[in-house]
Amino acid sequence: KQEVTQIPAALSVPEGENLVLNCSFTDSAIYNLQWFRQDPGKGLTSLLLIQSSQREQTSGRLNASLDKSSGRSTLYIAASQPGDSATYLCAVSTSGTYKYIFGTGTRLKVLA
Amino acid sequence: GAGVSQSPRYKVAKRGQDVALRCDPISGHVSLFWYQQALGQGPEFLTYFQNEAQLDKSGLPSDRFFAERPEGSVSTLKIQRTQQEDSAVYLCASSLRQPGHGMNTEAFFGQGTRLTVV
Repeated sequence: KQEVTQIPAALSVPEGENLVLNCSFTDSAIYNLQWFRQDPGKGLTSLLLIQSSQREQTSGRLNASLDKSSGRSTLYIAASQPGDSATYLCAVSTSGTYKYIFGTGTRLKVLA
Repeated sequence: GAGVSQSPRYKVAKRGQDVALRCDPISGHVSLFWYQQALGQGPEFLTYFQNEAQLDKSGLPSDRFFAERPEGSVSTLKIQRTQQEDSAVYLCASSLRQPGHGMNTEAFFGQGTRLTVV
């Protein structure tokens, strides 16, 4: 059974810091991994999708890496801004299923 | 519309009442998912449709939960005889293709419906 863990659960940093969010999963047989952002009371906004054959994806200040063999992904946020404050969720789609399994998220607060 | 649309945004139901939650996916998207998100938790899978076919309903918590997508576009999640433990945010997502089929499998989520059972 696929399990997804995200650490840290919460993070508070001053503006301008580079930071790393971690996601680990127990079953390496995945189709893809997707990172989302969720603002309070809102739905999920897709940030980056990494296919199982890829090792990383980049979008602006965001970079996500995938190491299937070790069951890990990291989301790197460069030069953090107060507007980055949100909960960040990772989700994996496992081979042989249709569902995405989510972690419980990392609550990020960037202080001005 | 440009994104996934869900209605209503908020629903308050008395215990025992039936509710119906609607999802309008992105036009042309084959895959449609329903998720349930409890406060402070990540979303949990409820069910998956590929066009009009419900291929996975393993996450539906009880037989009080029923989902349909009769014409392969709009979907409705129905909860009968609501209980307090059903209170959660219900999220709908769609993707152009089904998971495992290469590109265009990115999932796009709606704003969710917050259900409160009193």
